[in-house]
Amino acid sequence: AQTVTQSQPEMSVQEAETVTLSCTYDTSESDYYLFWYKQPPSRQMILVIRQEAYKQQNATENRFSVNFQKAAKSFSLKISDSQLGDAAMYFCAYRSLYRDDKIIFGKGTRLHILP
Amino acid sequence: DTEVTQTPKHLVMGMTNKKSLKCEQHMGHRAMYWYKQKAKKPPELMFVYSYEKLSINESVPSRFSPECPNSSLLNLHLHALQPEDSALYLCASSQSRAETGANVLTFGAGSRLTVL
Repeated sequence: AQTVTQSQPEMSVQEAETVTLSCTYDTSESDYYLFWYKQPPSRQMILVIRQEAYKQQNATENRFSVNFQKAAKSFSLKISDSQLGDAAMYFCAYRSLYRDDKIIFGKGTRLHILP
Repeated sequence: DTEVTQTPKHLVMGMTNKKSLKCEQHMGHRAMYWYKQKAKKPPELMFVYSYEKLSINESVPSRFSPECPNSSLLNLHLHALQPEDSALYLCASSQSRAETGANVLTFGAGSRLTVL
């Protein structure tokens, strides 16, 4: 069975600085999707970034980028130029290419932005 | 329209009440989901509907009864709930496996349920 581990329950970063959130996963599958979702206090889960495992190039969305290390089963999220609006719970998630009805979430990392 | 709309936003009910949570999307997604989320925890999958048929039931107690009347609507009927069922209930939708892009969930803002 697949598992997703986020080892940092909470992190803080100064506004305008860069922060990296860690995520590791375990799977025996070769093709899958990885995601970072953000859940602010307004509670709506919002997709931040997506990575297809067959793509070697790391995904980037504006200030958000990932460091995808397939062999190491690592999928970290880097937030550059942190803004107050980035404060939220961040969930790393895994979805199988073959059984895409289920998405497996990590336990989340709460990110605080310090003004 | 790129939204998933959930109603009500807040619901307080007694253990003997019957209530329903509603979810609606008009993105043409053919897969719809119910998740339960406790405070400071990740969402837990409850049910998945694919092409209006129940495809996954994660051993959810029968006091939760899902219904998918059509491809745009998803309901969760609640009856004889327990205080420990108090949680945020999230609805999500996605394209189905047969379509491209069948991997991104779009979530609603959730219904906060309190059972007294």
